[in-house]
Amino acid sequence: KNQVEQSPQSLIILEGKNCTLQCNYTVSPFSNLRWYKQDTGRGPVSLTIMTFSENTKSNGRYTATLDADTKQSSLHITASQLSDSASYICVVIPFPYGNNRLAFGKGNQVVVIP
Amino acid sequence: DVKVTQSSRYLVKRTGEKVFLECVQDMDHENMFWYRQDPGLGLRLIYFSYDVKMKEKGDIPEGYSVSREKKERFSLILESASTNQTSMYLCASSEQGLIGYNEQFFGPGTRLTVL
Repeated sequence: KNQVEQSPQSLIILEGKNCTLQCNYTVSPFSNLRWYKQDTGRGPVSLTIMTFSENTKSNGRYTATLDADTKQSSLHITASQLSDSASYICVVIPFPYGNNRLAFGKGNQVVVIP
Repeated sequence: DVKVTQSSRYLVKRTGEKVFLECVQDMDHENMFWYRQDPGLGLRLIYFSYDVKMKEKGDIPEGYSVSREKKERFSLILESASTNQTSMYLCASSEQGLIGYNEQFFGPGTRLTVL
């Protein structure tokens, strides 16, 4: 069973609207949680990094939240732009790392239409 | 800015060929990684290296080998390419430290098709 589940798998939103992406994880304990943005045909680029003790982190129009009690994170995109069309990947880093690999979600595919 | 480059964006090979994928990073990072990414499966770790000539198997090392002769360069080798190795291959690097704690910076990816 995947340790990181993302929802919705895909969504289409109108330019200028907001959207929220969900990440539920079972990795415990963990050291930090990251959101990456991956444009089609490109490598992932980091958006936010939160330690287990943080509950929010912003990067421009992107705001990530973390609830370590419920093991949920969300990524909120404000006033979406066409360039926000991409896959957004949630990654959870277990603690201690040891033999446990980074746990990758399968991504939320976002399409912004004019 | 960290720069991770991969030798090819697109590659087409035939079954049975030996394939080399090259990755170079310019930030003096100790750790380097090779992933493959397939639709519906997300990123999966093939191999990683925490120092020159050091390597560790990831989750799916079968059919692959790696080489790290210089700190900045990490090569992925498909000894005998098969059609099920058709995929997007991503290289990443991170600073020295416990693997996984430091941010990984990804290259643009190589889309490999094996016919």
